[in-house]
Amino acid sequence: FVLTQPPSVSVAPGTTATITCTGNILESESVHWYQQRPGQAPNLVLFEDTARPSGIPERFSGSKSANTATLSITRVEAGDEADFYCQVWHTPSDRMLFGGGTKLTVL
Amino acid sequence: QVQVVESGGGLVKPGGSLRLSCSGSGFIFRDYFMTWIRQAPGKGLEWVSFISSASGFKNHAESVKGRFSISRDNARNSVFLQMDNVRVEDTAVYYCGRVVGRRGYHRIDSWGQGIMVTVSS
Repeated sequence: FVLTQPPSVSVAPGTTATITCTGNILESESVHWYQQRPGQAPNLVLFEDTARPSGIPERFSGSKSANTATLSITRVEAGDEADFYCQVWHTPSDRMLFGGGTKLTVL
Repeated sequence: QVQVVESGGGLVKPGGSLRLSCSGSGFIFRDYFMTWIRQAPGKGLEWVSFISSASGFKNHAESVKGRFSISRDNARNSVFLQMDNVRVEDTAVYYCGRVVGRRGYHRIDSWGQGIMVTVSS
């Protein structure tokens, strides 16, 4: 089971960043997203496809359709620059699976 | 506030052993599943191990199965990762995490700061 993410996404400040996560497993499992700033531990920014933990700005949103999940960040700021990872829990094998990660660069 | 803190990392020779510890505070530790995640230098996140709240269920990634073992002591609010027969490719920052969500929706809502494990001769 593989979750595929683009290695990098670059956007200008104030625009919208879109990061995808693709895998057949997404048709049956819920996806969660983490942001990892340089030198820091990951931080949960979206869970169960579309929900935001408390403290995460409304600029962060998620969607999922068939085998593709999408994390969108509107009005991108320099402070959003980080690596982003998608994650699922594979229920039949009770294992956690991460995508390869996407480096978001704010130009 | 919720906090998890790892300890026990360091330098170990190939084939050697190391025991990582993770202490939880600010929450009822015995009510939560816990997990270990690692990140090799310059690489992505890799799930390592998972343990249920009362230790009734454990699971490990294929890459560490038979070499690593997760355990917990709820009286001490701690979870452990016993790493035996380590390999160079086990070199990574190891993160401890608190797991939330019902089965099928498990995710990590609180991460430790991470601890470095270096396997080298």
